[in-house]
Parts: sequence; structure tokens; C-alpha cells
Amino acid sequence: DAGVIQSPRHEVTEMGQEVTLRCKPISGHNSLFWYRQTMMRGLELLIYFNNNVPIDDSGMPEDRFSAKMPNASFSTLKIQPSEPRDSAVYFCASSFGTGTKQHNEQFFGPGTRLTVL
Amino acid sequence: AQSVTQLGSHVSVSEGALVLLRCNYSSSVPPYLFWYVQYPNQGLQLLLKYTTGATLVKGINGFEAEFKKSETSFHLTKPSAHMSDAAEYFCAVVGGFKTIFGAGTRLFVKA
Repeated sequence: DAGVIQSPRHEVTEMGQEVTLRCKPISGHNSLFWYRQTMMRGLELLIYFNNNVPIDDSGMPEDRFSAKMPNASFSTLKIQPSEPRDSAVYFCASSFGTGTKQHNEQFFGPGTRLTVL
Repeated sequence: AQSVTQLGSHVSVSEGALVLLRCNYSSSVPPYLFWYVQYPNQGLQLLLKYTTGATLVKGINGFEAEFKKSETSFHLTKPSAHMSDAAEYFCAVVGGFKTIFGAGTRLFVKA
């Protein structure tokens, strides 16, 4: 298995532009997580999907952020419009969980390093 | 509610010395506990996990951790540090569908 795939690996954009980050989870996993990592705030959970349905988006910073999971093999995280404070590494992770139980490990992608100028 | 506290944002050891990274947790239910490692420019990967059963858990690369309920701790140890162990380490506890990560401890290994 290729693991969790994220694209692009690096993104540099200007303030006000739309940014779309993409994730392909591991086949067979039914849970998908988007995280943001910065030096100041550490690792933050943005949103969690189970069976393609958003379960908890309380970590999404504001309305400029949105995430979708149209099918079991693809998810996007969109920022519109982007701001310099959105600069961070964004990770996608997947796992297999049953209902509300997530006892299994999460498998992380390599991350997308976003720089907003 | 679940929470995790990692004591020490930075730990420095000499090559060959004992590695001890501290983690304390809070959980209202029997916890599931994890240690993840993050190498530079990579995502997190699992080192080891405790769910139930044996309280001493062995992981990859010679690391192990012991679940101590009375101390609400899950400290990570390795008898002899190697240069390749230099990385950031995250303790985590599962709370329902969420995995709660600690702030991380960066391990430096001196030659």
C-alpha cells in the first residue's frame, strides 16, 4: 500500500488566493482526519470524517476553511481566501474505526507545507 | 474528557544514554494510549500503543512504555539512544473518536 497520499507537498500562494489541499486515505480505512501543525500551536485537529460524513468540525478555524469527502478515497481541504496566518503544515491521516471508537492507530500522510505570502 | 501532558518540550541526551520522555494523561474512561514519532519533514508514525492487557508495551526501534494507572503516566523509554532517534515524539490518548495529542517533546541526541 502506498500509504496516505497528499498533494501538493508544497504550496506557495499569495494572500487572498484560494488553496486546495488533497488527500487519498489508505484503502479500507473509514476515518479521515485533517490536522494543522505550527510551531506556536502544535498539532491541531481541524476536522474528522467517518464513512465520508463529517463528524466533528469544531477545529476548523473559521468559515474560510472547508473540507469535503465525496467518496471513501478522496478528501479536500479548501481555504478561501487564504491569509498569511494560515501558513502551516497540513496533515491528512486515516484509520479504521468502528462507530465512535478510534482505538486503532492513525496513519499520517507526508503533509502539505503551505506558505501564504 | 481526555487530556495529555508531556513534560519537557526539549530533551537532550548523549548517544548511548537512556532516553526517558514523560507523558501524563487524564481520562474519565480506561484510556487507549499511543506514542508517535515525527522525523523532520515527515508525518507522524506509530511507535507503540497500549489498549488493554500487559502494561509494558514494546514498540519499534527499541522503544517501550509502561502504563501506570496509579500515576496516570505512560512514559517512553529506550535504554541506549542512537543518533537516528533524534525526532519529535508525541504522546496521545484516545477520547471517543478523537485522538488527543500532547504538545510534543523534541529529542536531541549528542555524539
